[in-house]
Amino acid sequence: NAGVMQNPRHLVRRRGQEARLRCSPMKGHSHVYWYRQLPEEGLKFMVYLQKENIIDESGMPKERFSAEFPKEGPSILRIQQVVRGDSAAYFCASSPFRDRVVLSDTEAFFGQGTRLTVV
Amino acid sequence: AQSVSQHNHHVILSEAASLELGCNYSYGGTVNLFWYVQYPGQHLQLLLKYFSGDPLVKGIKGFEAEFIKSKFSFNLRKPSVQWSDTAEYFCAVKGRRYGGSQGNLIFGKGTKLSVKP
Repeated sequence: NAGVMQNPRHLVRRRGQEARLRCSPMKGHSHVYWYRQLPEEGLKFMVYLQKENIIDESGMPKERFSAEFPKEGPSILRIQQVVRGDSAAYFCASSPFRDRVVLSDTEAFFGQGTRLTVV
Repeated sequence: AQSVSQHNHHVILSEAASLELGCNYSYGGTVNLFWYVQYPGQHLQLLLKYFSGDPLVKGIKGFEAEFIKSKFSFNLRKPSVQWSDTAEYFCAVKGRRYGGSQGNLIFGKGTKLSVKP
């Protein structure tokens, strides 16, 4: 059972270009989380998605950032018109959907991250 | 709103020293608590987790953590560290919700542990 797969592992973009980061959750997982890790700042929650549905995007910057998790295919985190400050490691995590009564008793499994460098 | 505080930014220990990393959280309800470890250049891996029951939780590689509800704390401990424990450690909290969607996982800023051989 493959773990959470993120690609690319490293991505270099010039200022103003678009960055697309992909995350394939573990098999059977229908919940995906995106986190950003900036140096000295730890992990910051960005967005939480289920298939075809954004559940919580309270951590997403208001502009240039968007995320989707289509019915088929990986989750995509898209950053338009990248700036130097977007340089960071972006981690995706997935967790399974269980019964509706207690949904928090699950851990999240993390991918290896995508390191975005904006030059 | 949930938040997690990790008191130490960088801890430096010699091998065989004992370790305790502090973690405090704020949340009005019931929580699930986690410690993750990130070895250099690698992704986050779960060390241990607390959902309910015995507040003293044992994880992998000799780590343990104690949930003290009255103190909103979930400190990570290891009696004798090894050089291979050099990594960054993250405490995380997820609020428990019923009848709705899962809460998201909120992380502390992390504590870098350097173990000198």
